Amino acid sequence: GQQLNQSPQSMFIQEGEDVSMNCTSSSIFNTWLWYKQDPGEGPVLLIALYKAGELTSNGRLTAQFGITRKDSFLNISASIPSDVGIYFCAGPWAGTALIFGKGTTLSVSS
Amino acid sequence: GAGVSQSPRYKVAKRGQDVALRCDPISGHVSLFWYQQALGQGPEFLTYFQNEAQLDKSGLPSDRFFAERPEGSVSTLKIQRTQQEDSAVYLCASSLQGAVGYTFGSGTRLTVV
Repeated sequence: GQQLNQSPQSMFIQEGEDVSMNCTSSSIFNTWLWYKQDPGEGPVLLIALYKAGELTSNGRLTAQFGITRKDSFLNISASIPSDVGIYFCAGPWAGTALIFGKGTTLSVSS
Repeated sequence: GAGVSQSPRYKVAKRGQDVALRCDPISGHVSLFWYQQALGQGPEFLTYFQNEAQLDKSGLPSDRFFAERPEGSVSTLKIQRTQQEDSAVYLCASSLQGAVGYTFGSGTRLTVV
């Protein structure tokens, strides 16, 4: 079935560094969503992208909707310890259901 | 309520036991979703309700899984004759009708022993 491929699978960075992660698909998506999940919690929506080429920011987070509509990127600038968690990309599939990637686990050392 | 509330937070079941997981969506949210998240994986869609109508149950892995939302508010996910492979976090989410980025609850972690 359809899969979203996220990379890298995990990242270990120093506080203050910038982070980049991406998500690719073999199919076209009309919407890309980025979620963050903390341990023991459900995913929380960070950014939603609705148009190819769109660049959207939310504080230190910036996400882009790839022009091919088959990929998306998330950047985090000047990372802080509370950025630790698992970042998921997701897109609507077969109606209202969302399909998720397997996530990128971010670790930040101070 | 302010957020999506799920109970219990943790459930340990013996293999073969039936379990019921509860979800209280955000007040006024028409759409309600159930997802299953295995360890180290992203959430996977199980089923979707619009008000009390179950419009999509294509993600339910077997006929041992059953979900209901009889009054269009609280929903229950029931798993009969639990198996070890059912061990996962079960996430509920709700949204206004047509909204794509919905709000998740904290989940119920089910462990089948």
